[in-house]
Amino acid sequence: SAVISQKPSRDICQRGTSLTIQCQVDSQVTMMFWYRQQPGQSLTLIATANQGSEATYESGFVIDKFPISRPNLTFSTLTVSNMSPEDSSIYLCSVLKKARENTEAFFGQGTRLTVV
Amino acid sequence: AQSVTQLGSHVSVSEGALVLLRCNYSSSVPPYLFWYVQYPNQGLQLLLKYTSAATLVKGINGFEAEFKKSETSFHLTKPSAHMSDAAEYFCAVTRNQGGKLIFGQGTELSVKP
Repeated sequence: SAVISQKPSRDICQRGTSLTIQCQVDSQVTMMFWYRQQPGQSLTLIATANQGSEATYESGFVIDKFPISRPNLTFSTLTVSNMSPEDSSIYLCSVLKKARENTEAFFGQGTRLTVV
Repeated sequence: AQSVTQLGSHVSVSEGALVLLRCNYSSSVPPYLFWYVQYPNQGLQLLLKYTSAATLVKGINGFEAEFKKSETSFHLTKPSAHMSDAAEYFCAVTRNQGGKLIFGQGTELSVKP
């Protein structure tokens, strides 16, 4: 399995500011992802965090708004830039880890962001 | 492109009753399918997954799901609901085991005493 630690677990931020969320995994993983879960909605993939290169963003998400770093195989950060109330969501880090003959996705507890 | 549709954003059952949460998928390639549960203020926990082995998959907490290719479905069931089953349930699909997950809209399960 993989144990994922996300920080902060929650925050209340002023509009126009930026917040950086950290994701630390207890072992090396190849694939790391960032998801957004807006209130009452499902999870939407923001981007795949690539180690040593630029993140791969999904349609509707751009690097200027959600810059991502992946300096090594156990750590990644997601920044929510120039926040507005519409950015209020839960942000989740996810990793893929090989478990026996299969690969399984593991999720962090999430960061609950409220923008006021 | 791949997608999943969960029928019913809210499902309410009585304690001890059958739980049935519906999931239909769309995929141009053989899919890998998953069910996740999210308890309040917690992350996602894997309930079970289908990876082209047995079509009837048993998961944790007494849940199981059956992959039906002809119906493009992967419905989640549990014979007898417990109060502790109250949570949000997400169906997800991916092209391969190393790929990104595409989630359904989620179904909130309520269990009445």
